[in-house]
This record gives sequence, structure tokens and C-alpha cells, in this order.
Amino acid sequence: ETGVTQTPRHLVMGMTNKKSLKCEQHLGHNAMYWYKQSAKKPLELMFVYNFKEQTENNSVPSRFSPECPNSSHLFLHLHTLQPEDSALYLCASSQETRNQPQHFGDGTRLSIL
Amino acid sequence: AQSVAQPEDQVNVAEGNPLTVKCTYSVSGNPYLFWYVQYPNRGLQFLLKYITGDNLVKGSYGFEAEFNKSQTSFHLKKPSALVSDSALYFCAVRDRTNTDKLIFGTGTRLQVFP
Repeated sequence: ETGVTQTPRHLVMGMTNKKSLKCEQHLGHNAMYWYKQSAKKPLELMFVYNFKEQTENNSVPSRFSPECPNSSHLFLHLHTLQPEDSALYLCASSQETRNQPQHFGDGTRLSIL
Repeated sequence: AQSVAQPEDQVNVAEGNPLTVKCTYSVSGNPYLFWYVQYPNRGLQFLLKYITGDNLVKGSYGFEAEFNKSQTSFHLKKPSALVSDSALYFCAVRDRTNTDKLIFGTGTRLQVFP
């Protein structure tokens, strides 16, 4: 148990669907992150929230929309995705963004039909 | 620009033998370095970090890493490998120009044979 819970674990959706990924951390951390992990590519940072404020948007297409209502919850809203968006989406949290390690959830495996 | 290189896609080692997973980095200033491990169908799990101080850092599950400033390396080591150590290992460096950001290597798959 990592203290970071992601739901759902698997998601299959069509390109015209709208869905959301959810992440919840039980560690009392102040920073939360979304990453995309694709085969044979480095882990790609998508978004960073620090004390509920978005501090990083790594040139992510607007079809991905993050939401951080409080320090414990992070969402990734998805709409009109493309087949190349199929990947493992990982959520992480840390006490702060500098020296402390990030704690990862087990990810959502997303498949776009 | 900050970057991390893991030159080996896969490392194979026999159980009981020592293992090394290589990592080199490029940063401006002093680096913050991390190692993570990923088991199948799981997220990344923190192993150890170097921020400052002793060049030999000890971490979880008997792993350690040696920071070498002159060679800009941070290789992960373990004296005696276990079959259960088989997993994907990631080296990461903190981006000093944007300290919210960790830059990850492409990962090295460690296979430990019985």
C-alpha cells in the first residue's frame, strides 16, 4: 500500500467519450503530479499542483484537463482523446517539490479505441 | 538542460552475484538524484536519494548508490542480487531550473536468474 490510490485501474474508451481519472493520497502531502508512461519512452511529467495551485503544465494538449479541489485529491478529465494517448497514467504526491521523494499510485491503464 | 542517461536497456545477473545499474546525469549546479523501482502492474517506488553529504547512499531492500561528481554518475548497486529484485529501475534528477520537475531516465530492466 503506497498511500496513493488511483481509480479506475483500467479504462477503455472511444475517442469521443469523456471520462475522468481519480487520484487520492492519504499521506498528508502538499504536492501532486500526473505522469504519462508509454512503452520505451521516458516518464513524461504532465501537471504539477503545489498547495492546490497548478505550477507546471508541460505542454499538455487541452484534451487533458486537470483538477485539484484539495491537497488530497487530483483528477484528470479526458475528452476527445487520440489513439496515441493510450498509456499508463501515474499519479504521485510528495511533501514538497524539492528534496522529498514522490510516492506513486499504481496507475490507470488507458486504452483508446 | 538537465538530463539523465541510463545506457543499458537490460541488465542480466545471476542470483547471489553483485549487480550494478548505471546512471549518468547532466545538470547545472549540484544535483539532486533519485532511484525508483517499478514492479509489473505497479507504480514507481522510491529506493533512495542523494541530496548532499556522503557519496554512498543506502536505500531500501539492500540497495545503495554511489554519487561520483567527477564522472557525473549515480550507479545503483547491490552486493547480492535476488530473483525478486527483477524489475524496471529508473534514475531521476531534479531540474534545478524548475524544482517542481523530476527528469527521469528511460529505465533499465533488471533480470535476476536463479
